[in-house]
Amino acid sequence: ETGVTQSPTHLIKTRGQQVTLRCSSQSGHNTVSWYQQALGQGPQFIFQYYREEENGRGNFPPRFSGLQFPNYSSELNVNALELDDSALYLCASRGEGLWGETQYFGPGTRLLVL
Amino acid sequence: TQLLEQSPQFLSIQEGENLTVYCNSSSVFSSLQWYRQEPGEGPVLLVTVVTGGEVKKLKRLTFQFGDARKDSSLHITAAQPGDTGLYLCAGLTSGTYKYIFGTGTRLKVLA
Repeated sequence: ETGVTQSPTHLIKTRGQQVTLRCSSQSGHNTVSWYQQALGQGPQFIFQYYREEENGRGNFPPRFSGLQFPNYSSELNVNALELDDSALYLCASRGEGLWGETQYFGPGTRLLVL
Repeated sequence: TQLLEQSPQFLSIQEGENLTVYCNSSSVFSSLQWYRQEPGEGPVLLVTVVTGGEVKKLKRLTFQFGDARKDSSLHITAAQPGDTGLYLCAGLTSGTYKYIFGTGTRLKVLA
């Protein structure tokens, strides 16, 4: 149990539609990162927010956008969905753990684009 | 482009056997993490290594960070069915904010 929750757990959309995925981080964790994990691969970094500002971005097009709110929740928005967007989307909040700075991952949202 | 390659990609062994998973890169990392991910869940952090040559032990798991901080290994002794899962390494480059994940090793331990 990481204290990070995501909704919905599963989602089916059609090509061209828009989707919003939600994440609730642990209280006090000011940094949240979003990742895309395709089937059989490791997570790929999409972007990161710190205190409601985007402060880092991976190799993803602008149709991937996000928001972070003062209550430690955040959103990932994807416009003009493509078939290749089908993946598990993970959010992770950062805080201190046993080994120093730790990423705490949510269970993910599995998105299927038809 | 930074790349973290893991080997082997897949591993199926009998309960009680030992195994080693490798994580290699041409890049230097300020820290490297190992995660285990089970179906339907997000990755869970196992350990973070920071110092070149560092060895950390967590019960039957032994983690090593290479001297040059470009590679790492995870050794499991006397594997158990509960060790089954996807093992991921993730490196953090000094001065950056993002973790680069490896390609993953899918382990299955048969009873």
